[in-house]
Amino acid sequence: EVQLVQSGAEVKKPGESLKISCKGSGYSFTSYWIGWVRQMPGKGLEWMGIIYPGDSDTRYSPSFQGQVTISADKSISTAYLQWSSLKASDTAMYYCVRLLPSPRLPDYWGQGTLVTVSS
Amino acid sequence: QSVLTQPPSASGTPGQRVTISCSGSSSNIGSNYVYWYQQLPGTAPKLLIYRNNQRPSGVPDRFSGSKSGTSASLAISGLRSEDEADYYCAAWDDSLSGPVFGTGTKVTVL
Repeated sequence: EVQLVQSGAEVKKPGESLKISCKGSGYSFTSYWIGWVRQMPGKGLEWMGIIYPGDSDTRYSPSFQGQVTISADKSISTAYLQWSSLKASDTAMYYCVRLLPSPRLPDYWGQGTLVTVSS
Repeated sequence: QSVLTQPPSASGTPGQRVTISCSGSSSNIGSNYVYWYQQLPGTAPKLLIYRNNQRPSGVPDRFSGSKSGTSASLAISGLRSEDEADYYCAAWDDSLSGPVFGTGTKVTVL
């Protein structure tokens, strides 16, 4: 059974750094792209970027380029989403997703990680 | 950021048929498959329809998808209370070289 298990909810202050994780199991982690999707409170779904764990090829949505860092450690089947300096506007639910080979759209979703940034 | 347009809301009584539209362009829906996702309240989205009209295992046949030109539709027949959720369309966009989501439609069962 394919599973994506994300790290738990986080409460941070503006300016702090953060790294959340997504562990894949039940499939070959290095053979599928992993993506990150943001959902702000009461809003829709937004693509952030994708990574191919096999070779760490990473692509960012223009809206998120330079704002976050996506990485992966294939030895432990885990992908990461990282911020160096959080802002209140980063408050949102973040989902990791497994992407189909073609087209690169999600078939499986993680349970989500709620990030709250407040002073 | 959304380049696929959906109506904000749709509603129906139990047993009715509800249709949700998704409008795009030649660079996304017009040249690529459309996918649909269901997000029940407080949960992560789930794949509902793939490749325009295919249902993953476990998705009831009350849900059906179609595509024509640069638009797509999701139909829910025999509406049930448990269908109350947000629905999102998605497609690959050749111009952006990335995926795009629809704006989302909230379905209410009256």
